[in-house]
Amino acid sequence: DAGVTQSPTHLIKTRGQQVTLRCSPKSGHDTVSWYQQALGQGPQFIFQYYEEEERQRGNFPDRFSGHQFPNYSSELNVNALLLGDSALYLCASSLELTSGQQETQYFGPGTRLLVL
Amino acid sequence: TQLLEQSPQFLSIQEGENLTVYCNSSSVFSSLQWYRQEPGEGPVLLVTVVTGGEVKKLKRLTFQFGDARKDSSLHITAAQPGDTGLYLCAGAKWSGGSNYKLTFGKGTLLTVNP
Repeated sequence: DAGVTQSPTHLIKTRGQQVTLRCSPKSGHDTVSWYQQALGQGPQFIFQYYEEEERQRGNFPDRFSGHQFPNYSSELNVNALLLGDSALYLCASSLELTSGQQETQYFGPGTRLLVL
Repeated sequence: TQLLEQSPQFLSIQEGENLTVYCNSSSVFSSLQWYRQEPGEGPVLLVTVVTGGEVKKLKRLTFQFGDARKDSSLHITAAQPGDTGLYLCAGAKWSGGSNYKLTFGKGTLLTVNP
């Protein structure tokens, strides 16, 4: 049973560039959430995707955008990178239950982004 | 605004000692989750507590959810070096239908020395 996978594992970019991070959810899961974890901090919620639509969004600027594909995998895009975007980007997947609630989220290993 | 406050932020103890980590909030959560994260890895779920006053045990780890569902604690008995890691609490809120979001604390970095 494959868990949540993310690619790439590490990435180095320069200010102003754009980056795309990828996530494949745990087998059987249909909901993907993205988090940013700066050094020494807990993860902060960026947004969540379900049925190929952004359902909820945290306090992040429009430079952060995403997409979910029919196979439930997801991408996180960040435009016009800033030094402060350097962080571990985590993807978490879960299953939407028929009651409308979700099962627990399971996290991937993350992508470490460094912006120079 | 940090909705979940964890304490202590850092903890360094000797193998065999007991410890308690606290997670406090002024908000009520539908459930609270505890994760353990190792360097360069994603958080791994340890437990989810849902009912106020609930106590769950996972081997040497005991988790408690406050009666008002605003706070939680994690107690480790006879800590071992393998317990070293960042312990994160996360509160879940459902705000109608399928709107669900996890809010994390900053974590407690635990080091257990042999």
